[in-house]
Amino acid sequence: SAVISQKPSRDICQRGTSLTIQCQVDSQVTMMFWYRQQPGQSLTLIATANQGSEATYESGFVIDKFPISRPNLTFSTLTVSNMSPEDSSIYLCSVREDIEKLLFGSGTQLSVL
Amino acid sequence: QKEVEQNSGPLSVPEGAIASLNCTYSDRGSQSFFWYRQYSGKSPELIMFIYSNGDKEDGRFTAQLNKASQYVSLLIRDSQPSDSATYLCAAIHTGGFKTIFGAGTRLFVKA
Repeated sequence: SAVISQKPSRDICQRGTSLTIQCQVDSQVTMMFWYRQQPGQSLTLIATANQGSEATYESGFVIDKFPISRPNLTFSTLTVSNMSPEDSSIYLCSVREDIEKLLFGSGTQLSVL
Repeated sequence: QKEVEQNSGPLSVPEGAIASLNCTYSDRGSQSFFWYRQYSGKSPELIMFIYSNGDKEDGRFTAQLNKASQYVSLLIRDSQPSDSATYLCAAIHTGGFKTIFGAGTRLFVKA
């Protein structure tokens, strides 16, 4: 199985600031996915990141708030911009294994004060 | 609206019993179905997947799919306290690439 390294594992941030989350995979992957998991909730897809093109955002998520970079086939970043307490959540990157199964990074626990 | 629905629970079963987790989906075009297990504070991990109608067994786990009823279930036999976790049902639509998750069912196995 691929190994996904995600960092930071947790952070506490002040409102109005931005945080960039990094996701590194030990093999090349076409698509990387960014999910959000709010407290006690399930996973909501934020966007799909393809190398060499702009990320595709899901309804309710916009590039200005969650800019994503995908400079190569093993790396992606998600930035949470101009944070508010409502952005407090776990953010997870994931990749596809065996065509359809998802493998997840360890997650970033974000708390916004 | 493509949705996957689960009873959030909690579902509590005694050790050694069968735990039955259920899921329905609204998109008839969905073809691939998954069960992920998520321990508290951890990331989800895949435990079962099923594509065809019927049952699929893997150790103590059995996934069941009924496409006519748009129903997916997971049975855990001989439940152990270590099975206590949140179980997420997920689906992918035909030709799609997005995995849509249900809200998850919290399972408690009492020793």
